[in-house]
Amino acid sequence: DTGVSQNPRHKITKRGQNVTFRCDPISEHNRLYWYRQTLGQGPEFLTYFQNEAQLEKSRLLSDRFSAERPKGSFSTLEIQRTEQGDSAMYLCASSLLSTRPEAYEQYFGPGTRLTVT
Amino acid sequence: GENVEQHPSTLSVQEGDSAVIKCTYSDSASNYFPWYKQELGKRPQLIIDIRSNVGEKKDQRIAVTLNKTAKHFSLHITETQPEDSAVYFCAASFSGGYQKVTFGTGTKLQVIP
Repeated sequence: DTGVSQNPRHKITKRGQNVTFRCDPISEHNRLYWYRQTLGQGPEFLTYFQNEAQLEKSRLLSDRFSAERPKGSFSTLEIQRTEQGDSAMYLCASSLLSTRPEAYEQYFGPGTRLTVT
Repeated sequence: GENVEQHPSTLSVQEGDSAVIKCTYSDSASNYFPWYKQELGKRPQLIIDIRSNVGEKKDQRIAVTLNKTAKHFSLHITETQPEDSAVYFCAASFSGGYQKVTFGTGTKLQVIP
């Protein structure tokens, strides 16, 4: 599979627990994005990496959220002390930094659905 | 920051009719406008996009128009089919930077056979 993959696909956790999600982008893509999507809403930008550098974080990303992309390939998103309001679909997307027009497109992964009970 | 508004939130059309979804954006620096289709439980997938140097783009039954002056863009689907039923999201971004994409709130399209 050459697309963006995410693991796990579903995660149920109790409030207060920590969770970690993984995203594997398309191999040659150097840009990686995390979004959060709640029911009936469009994806909301959380953070962005270019290679291993985290270049932007949304105000939505509280101190309980941290993301890494240590080697510029896969990325992890960790949520500490989860709250019920964190329940959502967490989407990862990747794209290629290039001057080619087709490089604009972001390819989304299938998402990780988090349920905090 | 950018703000994207999308209307309508739901749209029902008879099979074979046309569907139009409209979006407005606030940041005049935005220059790339993708449209995504998301089927239930699946990932968003790009169906068409337009850049600010173009006023209209068409791909088979799908077309997108852009009015930079008014800061609005629209998706047109002709000859709708049941498989067009999904949630459609418009989005806006500035490709000169890190390409942060701001999405609209989505339009749930139902095509009635």
